[in-house]
Amino acid sequence: AQSVTQPDIHITVSEGASLELRCNYSYGATPYLFWYVQSPGQGLQLLLKYFSGDTLVQGIKGFEAEFKRSQSSFNLRKPSVHWSDAAEYFCAVGARGSGYALNFGKGTSLLVTP
Amino acid sequence: GAVVSQHPSRVICKSGTSVKIECRSLDFQATTMFWYRQFPKQSLMLMATSNEGSKATYEQGVEKDKFLINHASLTLSTLTVTSAHPEDSSFYICSASPGGDYNEQFFGPGTRLTVL
Repeated sequence: AQSVTQPDIHITVSEGASLELRCNYSYGATPYLFWYVQSPGQGLQLLLKYFSGDTLVQGIKGFEAEFKRSQSSFNLRKPSVHWSDAAEYFCAVGARGSGYALNFGKGTSLLVTP
Repeated sequence: GAVVSQHPSRVICKSGTSVKIECRSLDFQATTMFWYRQFPKQSLMLMATSNEGSKATYEQGVEKDKFLINHASLTLSTLTVTSAHPEDSSFYICSASPGGDYNEQFFGPGTRLTVL
């Protein structure tokens, strides 16, 4: 069965520290992978996506993610977190082809402390 | 480009009434639109998938007679919550896909429904 796992429900990081949010997936075929961020009461904003090619993907707001096929992971990283990064982060996986909805992880809530 | 709008952004209604939420792709044609529901502090749960000109495909457990979906054109899909009850209160988010191999979807800003 297809699934997306974000093992960490909550993460607290000090401002300026590095960040890594974990995402593991179980998919039958080569997946398309996404990271979204959601601020309270807001919609989803796409941070980055992986379709093919270079497994290290750069996104907006200084985020990057690395696709590791051997580990079925697509972890999100940022070298230095800002207070404005506090939000909910969702990893999502999609199947190749149109007409398929994205499968979302349960999300990781990021708290940034001074 | 690739902007998706939702209207209204926020709606409050009385129990037993019906509410319509619109999802529009503003600068592309969406062959497929998706409707998700999100409860507080939870992830997005897919409700249904709609293709232009055909009936929507509902996920297991979603009442198709309660959540009516219409995808009349390549830029507009509507979700109507019929005879709404307080337990229908939620954040409803749509996404639209222009099709193609990469399955890229663009999300609307969401609609907060509160049923009194």
